[in-house]
Amino acid sequence: DAGITQSPRHKVTETGTPVTLRCHQTENHRYMYWYRQDPGHGLRLIHYSYGVKDTDKGEVSDGYSVSRSKTEDFLLTLESATSSQTSVYFCAIKEAANQETQYFGPGTRLLVL
Amino acid sequence: AQKITQTQPGMFVQEKEAVTLDCTYDTSDPSYGLFWYKQPSSGEMIFLIYQGSYDQQNATEGRYSLNFQKARKSANLVISASQLGDSAMYFCAMREIGGGADGLTFGKGTHLIIQP
Repeated sequence: DAGITQSPRHKVTETGTPVTLRCHQTENHRYMYWYRQDPGHGLRLIHYSYGVKDTDKGEVSDGYSVSRSKTEDFLLTLESATSSQTSVYFCAIKEAANQETQYFGPGTRLLVL
Repeated sequence: AQKITQTQPGMFVQEKEAVTLDCTYDTSDPSYGLFWYKQPSSGEMIFLIYQGSYDQQNATEGRYSLNFQKARKSANLVISASQLGDSAMYFCAMREIGGGADGLTFGKGTHLIIQP
């Protein structure tokens, strides 16, 4: 158990509203990631962080922003949600730079109407 | 071009048989890692096994082994003595350690169903 929680676990929202998803970890890991999972696509990297206030873009970052003001929390924000952002969002952590394995949180199901 | 290809969208296997799930990858980075994850119907992503590109031996973790054929760019997952609880989606993934975004690239997955 990598000590990762995501909140909320389920959310329904309307197009145009802002949404923030939270990933919380209890083990002080430096590296954190946000992915989305859509049918037929596997998981795709949105943003990642390699420390407090250090973030970078992934493959599908358009329409998303992130923040990491504390080691334990990595926030994903949809500034103005669109129906194409309906997805399952997974947070992941990596324990150290020389440890390659990423461990995933339980996921958040987001429906944008 | 796809970096990770899983050619088997679905597989049916009899319980207790061995299973091979196919994965081919494409990279020009000499330093990379290959992963397999399991996603049961409950939705969580469970790490199974990891193989580094410079590892001399195939990785093994209990009933899971990774058949790594570097020249063929193949990283098949072998599950020995399959069990009903192995029924799930299985994803192959890669990280190119040499550069680019520090994340995993996933294949589209294989849906494995173990039949009694």
